[in-house]
Amino acid sequence: GAVVSQHPSWVICKSGTSVKIECRSLDFQATTMFWYRQFPKQSLMLMATSNEGSKATYEQGVEKDKFLINHASLTLSTLTVTSAHPEDSSFYICSARDVTNRLYEQYFGPGTRLTVT
Amino acid sequence: GIQVEQSPPDLILQEGANSTLRCNFSDSVNNLQWFHQNPWGQLINLFYIPSGTKQNGRLSATTVATERYSLLYISSSQTTDSGVYFCAVYSGAGSYQLTFGKGTKLSVIP
Repeated sequence: GAVVSQHPSWVICKSGTSVKIECRSLDFQATTMFWYRQFPKQSLMLMATSNEGSKATYEQGVEKDKFLINHASLTLSTLTVTSAHPEDSSFYICSARDVTNRLYEQYFGPGTRLTVT
Repeated sequence: GIQVEQSPPDLILQEGANSTLRCNFSDSVNNLQWFHQNPWGQLINLFYIPSGTKQNGRLSATTVATERYSLLYISSSQTTDSGVYFCAVYSGAGSYQLTFGKGTKLSVIP
């Protein structure tokens, strides 16, 4: 149980284009999902908290117009990187919290490696 | 915000050896998780451990919340244990946000 998937697992795009990354909870419902970014050999940094049916909450320094988050259902959140630039190249990871679980435990997707050329 | 420090940053072990990884945090936390990030980047939940001790096979963890630290024990290490081990904490009333430490990179050599 508690499986989170991401799609695509890796993507290469040209500078100036937009890329959408999907995060799905496969066997549970998630009112809250989180998006993280990880640079090589560094830790995970929280970008935003995605709440089903409402606007995402972005961390300080994260451009909400550049990183569009949509959480339209209890099992799907999407992150769209708009007008991508080479500095947006990174490993993006999502996580989800089981709405029926009173605990704070989060489950993580396998990540999406984005390369902007 | 809360600070999470992990030590050591790097660790090289001979296969079969035991190790202890430490996580210190600067403020009281609601809960704590240990993860293993494998070479492909997948974060694997090891323990959800707000306090006390848990064991799962060769791994065990202890959190002493009053003293603001947690320990992860790996016994009889195997090459498949290699990767980065992260400690992450939840802080703040009702906060579900995780703050990660910088991780311990473990390399187990045959």
